Amino acid sequence: KQEVTQIPAALSVPEGENLVLNCSFTDSAIYNLQWFRQDPGKGLTSLLLIQSSQREQTSGRLNASLDKSSGRSTLYIAASQPGDSATYLCASSGGYQKVTFGTGTKLQVIP
Amino acid sequence: NAGVTQTPKFQVLKTGQSMTLQCAQDMNHNSMYWYRQDPGMGLRLIYYSASEGTTDKGEVPNGYNVSRLNKREFSLRLESAAPSQTSVYFCASSEDHLNYGYTFGSGTRLTVV
Repeated sequence: KQEVTQIPAALSVPEGENLVLNCSFTDSAIYNLQWFRQDPGKGLTSLLLIQSSQREQTSGRLNASLDKSSGRSTLYIAASQPGDSATYLCASSGGYQKVTFGTGTKLQVIP
Repeated sequence: NAGVTQTPKFQVLKTGQSMTLQCAQDMNHNSMYWYRQDPGMGLRLIYYSASEGTTDKGEVPNGYNVSRLNKREFSLRLESAAPSQTSVYFCASSEDHLNYGYTFGSGTRLTVV
């Protein structure tokens, strides 16, 4: 059974810092890996999706990488802002019933 | 705005009561999903519908039923609510989740007392 782990569970950084969020998974047989943002009391907003054949995806200040062989994905946030404060979740997809979510990293960016 | 709409946003039920959570998407997506989110456990799949007319169980289907009413709508029913069903419920849809991933609704916060 796929297990997805996100460490740390919480992270606090000063504004302007570049940071990396980690996601690890135990089964490398995935179709894709998706990163989401969740604000308190809200739904999940898709940030980036990396196909299994890709190494990385970029959107603005966000860059996500995927290394299937090591079972790792990272989300890089450049020049962090207070508005980036949220919980970030990753999810690996191995099929319809095989989407596994991590429990998230709660990020706080301090002005 | 295009997206996934869930109703209601909040609900309190007494043990044994029934209710239906509604979900509708206007993106012409084929697949729809119901998840529950509990602290420390991540999101867990309850049921999904790969296409109109089909539904399948996910990881935690006990105590729930679903109906894919048409391509747009996918409802989740609790026949006899239990305190263990207190959770936040999310509906999601995808054109093809292998290539395009998911779009989520804003959730329904359900408390069973």
